[in-house]
Amino acid sequence: DAEITQSPRHKITETGRQVTLACHQTWNHNNMFWYRQDLGHGLRLIHYSYGVQDTNKGEVSDGYSVSRSNTEDLPLTLESAASSQTSVYFCASSEFPGSSYEQYFGPGTRLTVT
Amino acid sequence: EDKVVQSPLSLVVHEGDTVTLNCSYEVTNFRSLLWYKQEKKAPTFLFMLTSSGIEKKSGRLSSILDKKELSSILNITATQTGDSAIYLCAVQGGSEKLVFGKGTKLTVNP
Repeated sequence: DAEITQSPRHKITETGRQVTLACHQTWNHNNMFWYRQDLGHGLRLIHYSYGVQDTNKGEVSDGYSVSRSNTEDLPLTLESAASSQTSVYFCASSEFPGSSYEQYFGPGTRLTVT
Repeated sequence: EDKVVQSPLSLVVHEGDTVTLNCSYEVTNFRSLLWYKQEKKAPTFLFMLTSSGIEKKSGRLSSILDKKELSSILNITATQTGDSAIYLCAVQGGSEKLVFGKGTKLTVNP
């Protein structure tokens, strides 16, 4: 069955370190998204991609970057982790551009920055 | 700027009660409104409402889109403890992005 996976599921890191969270989907979806979820804020969009070599900033992109070298993967990198980036991170994907399709979410990565 | 507001933010009911969750939105070039249920893990899709499909029903859950009032409601009848979750409303405008509300935390007590 097609799915979307994230790794690691839990991560503890120190302030200032570079961290990469992986997202892999086997739906063959063009669109992929990264969100963070914090109490009181709901889901906020960090970065998104509409296809290979395409990346775009979301509403909370500062301190994060993504790259899309193939259809299946959209890794999220925290360049220099900060305590404010402690959060639960969700990756999601959806089908073709120009249509209304639901986004499918990965299981999430809980990141703690100490 | 696209915006989604959900109310109430939290709700506590007893098993068997009927609940109504609200979602209002401001979005450019509305395309769809989606409801998700989130338990202690990833959000799972419930419904999508569009201009051509303004009412959806699945078992005890139903949802209606009011394009005139720029809002939607999610109804849950005969609630069960398994309905306890955060319910998220999201709106899609002219792009592929979804804008999410902060969610309604529903607690159903036995």
